Amino acid sequence: QKEVEQDPGPLSVPEGAIVSLNCTYSNSAFQYFMWYRQYSRKGPELLMYTYSSGNKEDGRFTAQVDKSSKYISLFIRDSQPSDSATYLCATEGDAGKSTFGDGTTLTVKP
Amino acid sequence: GAVVSQHPSWVICKSGTSVKIECRSLDFQATTMFWYRQFPKQSLMLMATSNEGSKATYEQGVEKDKFLINHASLTLSTLTVTSAHPEDSSFYICSALPGIEGYTFGSGTRLTVV
Repeated sequence: QKEVEQDPGPLSVPEGAIVSLNCTYSNSAFQYFMWYRQYSRKGPELLMYTYSSGNKEDGRFTAQVDKSSKYISLFIRDSQPSDSATYLCATEGDAGKSTFGDGTTLTVKP
Repeated sequence: GAVVSQHPSWVICKSGTSVKIECRSLDFQATTMFWYRQFPKQSLMLMATSNEGSKATYEQGVEKDKFLINHASLTLSTLTVTSAHPEDSSFYICSALPGIEGYTFGSGTRLTVV
């Protein structure tokens, strides 16, 4: 079993839709949770960083963590074509090592 | 914001040759950097942790003699793929921690071995 499982996608939505991206993790020791956006042939870009259960909002993006169920989500409101990318969830464990989900590729159609 | 610069962005080399990839933290010091490998449509797999002034720590299954890591200063880590073969073709990405929240990644290096 992978330590971080991510809904595989791909996901295709019309412009303006609300997008929900989801991951589960298995290690209750994980304290920090991240969402990255990766465009093709580029390195990942940090979108959200959270370390507690609850919601964290940044513009159109909301990260949600539920430690009791080991579930993390990223919501994108009013999705735009420029949001089309692969989204990676990640957790941070020992010695700062990050464990990544496999990514969900999102396409937002104009 | 914090920037990690990675060079080259892409490289093609002949089988049997060595390739060096550089990762620099431009506006912060990084005592630790991480090197990842990513195959098409797959996630990032941690290869090794690069520690300034000491030996790198390699993940299980990663050949330390093939993937040489040098972290000679607080702003520079290098990954050298020695005696490269076509199966080493991949996307290599470094990351560093500029603060306390989240890692900054380099833009990646696409290595093609022919």
